Amino acid sequence: GENVEQHPSTLSVQEGDSAVIKCTYSDSASNYFPWYKQELGKGPQLIIDIRSNVGEKKDQRIAVTLNKTAKHFSLHITETQPEDSAVYFCAASHGNNRLAFGKGNQVVVIP
Amino acid sequence: GAGVSQSPRYKVAKRGQDVALRCDPISGHVSLFWYQQALGQGPEFLTYFQNEAQLDKSGLPSDRFFAERPEGSVSTLKIQRTQQEDSAVYLCASSFRVVGGGNTEAFFGQGTRLTVV
Repeated sequence: GENVEQHPSTLSVQEGDSAVIKCTYSDSASNYFPWYKQELGKGPQLIIDIRSNVGEKKDQRIAVTLNKTAKHFSLHITETQPEDSAVYFCAASHGNNRLAFGKGNQVVVIP
Repeated sequence: GAGVSQSPRYKVAKRGQDVALRCDPISGHVSLFWYQQALGQGPEFLTYFQNEAQLDKSGLPSDRFFAERPEGSVSTLKIQRTQQEDSAVYLCASSFRVVGGGNTEAFFGQGTRLTVV
């Protein structure tokens, strides 16, 4: 099955700086790559997703890039704010909606 | 409400007890998923329904786990004879996916935190 790895496990950034989280996946058939944000005591919330026919997607301060050849994708958060502090999960799927998640990345934005 | 609703939010069970966890998906969503999230880990897939049909149950860890969605809306995840290793957050997600279509956004509930003592 699909194996998704996520690095680094913890990331601390100064408010206003950028944060980048990288994920790799193993199944070349995967074609859908969402990113979820999970706050303490809440369920994961989708913040952005990308499909394999696109190399980059941006939504305000958040962007995702995909490199199919290398089988990795990254989340970029610019101008970080304290409310961006949370655990971020990457995931991969190949058409069956079953998501394989990474282990998560704790992002801490220091005011 | 407009989102995925799960109940109870918290459940404490004695080892060996049976539990039932409920999920109310977003109205009209065809697909429903159950995931298990251990502390400090990402969600792990358990099972998938398309309407009332359980199309994939390959993630259920043992035959003590059983899920149903008899009318294609509300779903129940049942765990029989609970063990300490069953302690986790159980997440339900739903999505509007047209049969034969590609992936669509999955919306998650807040989860049920199960603690087996």
